[in-house]
Amino acid sequence: GQNIDQPTEMTATEGAIVQINCTYQTSGFNGLFWYQQHAGEAPTFLSYNVLDGLEEKGRFSSFLSRSKGYSYLLLKELQMKDSASYLCAVRDTGRRALTFGSGTRLQVQP
Amino acid sequence: DADVTQTPRNRITKTGKRIMLECSQTKGHDRMYWYRQDPGLGLRLIYYSFDVKDINKGEISDGYSVSRQAQAKFSLSLESAIPNQTALYFCATREGVSGYNEQFFGPGTRLTVL
Repeated sequence: GQNIDQPTEMTATEGAIVQINCTYQTSGFNGLFWYQQHAGEAPTFLSYNVLDGLEEKGRFSSFLSRSKGYSYLLLKELQMKDSASYLCAVRDTGRRALTFGSGTRLQVQP
Repeated sequence: DADVTQTPRNRITKTGKRIMLECSQTKGHDRMYWYRQDPGLGLRLIYYSFDVKDINKGEISDGYSVSRQAQAKFSLSLESAIPNQTALYFCATREGVSGYNEQFFGPGTRLTVL
């Protein structure tokens, strides 16, 4: 089976940097996704990691360490519109679907 | 027009009623999924389908059934709704060729069972 852990809530200040961590346990890792979800809306894709290292996409970056079962999403130059939930999801080699963590609700304050 | 649509967007029903939630997509993807989302529990997989003849149970399929009428349509049914099925339901699609491909989500259906 799979187990995915993320902090429940985080608060940060507009213009700052925030790091959202995700740890996972899986029998056969085959990729990790980050999604953003605004309240009451559908999740939207942010990033994908399957190899160790950092993937950068504008203000957002995602890091993966497969040996540690660890990923983080880094958001730079925070904006008020970044207030949302951030979902970590893992695919393993045995399953044909993603398993999602419970999500981290980020509140950006002025 | 949206690529993944869900109907209805909101539904209030009573315990014991049969309910069908519908999902349609114009993305041409062969893989479709149904999730439910509850506060504090994230997205949990109910059923998924890799083509019209391939239907699979997810982690919480009890009390639900699905029908893949065509590549573009995937319906979720609650045969006899109960209050703990009150949740936000999402349909998602994915192109099946590469492991990289992300899932695209519909706008969700908010279901309340009284």
